Amino acid sequence: EDKVVQSPLSLVVHEGDTVTLNCSYEVTNFRSLLWYKQEKKAPTFLFMLTSSGIEKKSGRLSSILDKKELFSILNITATQTGDSAVYLCAVWDGGATNKLIFGTGTLLAVQP
Amino acid sequence: DGGITQSPKYLFRKEGQNVTLSCEQNLNHDAMYWYRQDPGQGLRLIYYSQIVNDFQKGDIAEGYSVSREKKESFPLTVTSAQKNPTAFYLCASSSSPGQGARNGYTFGSGTRLTVV
Repeated sequence: EDKVVQSPLSLVVHEGDTVTLNCSYEVTNFRSLLWYKQEKKAPTFLFMLTSSGIEKKSGRLSSILDKKELFSILNITATQTGDSAVYLCAVWDGGATNKLIFGTGTLLAVQP
Repeated sequence: DGGITQSPKYLFRKEGQNVTLSCEQNLNHDAMYWYRQDPGQGLRLIYYSQIVNDFQKGDIAEGYSVSREKKESFPLTVTSAQKNPTAFYLCASSSSPGQGARNGYTFGSGTRLTVV
């Protein structure tokens, strides 16, 4: 059965800390891995990764994919209270179904 | 502006009642999806449709029903058979498998359903 697993489930840090969120997957027809940030409403797109070892970066956020070990990490440096959210990892299943398989999410709380 | 519209934003239902959540898109996307999200958790797939007049069950379809009579519309009915319907419901779409793999979904803003 295809699955996406995120860890930790929740995390509390202080402003200025660096955090690493983990995502492992077992998806037979892997096409891509996507990271989303969700603050109470619809998820907003952060990164799409398809190739191993190529870091995607946007400001204080960065992400990398390891297709051999089947995992990805999302790093957030110099965290701010505005980074508090649920971070979702999802894998696009390119088989007959063609859909995203989501992980359980990591709830990040950044305290002042 | 193109996008997905979900309505209502908030919905209260008495136990034993069926309710229908609306999802409309003007993006000309072929595929549409319904997900359920419980507090602090990820998204679980209820139903999806790759083309008009066709849809498939997702991982947690029991107690739900859908229709796809028009490309633009993919309503979700939460029936009385759903034992724990209180949750946040998200509708999403993608234009093609290739586009979805590159950019993921376009999401609606969600409907928060509460059983009272």
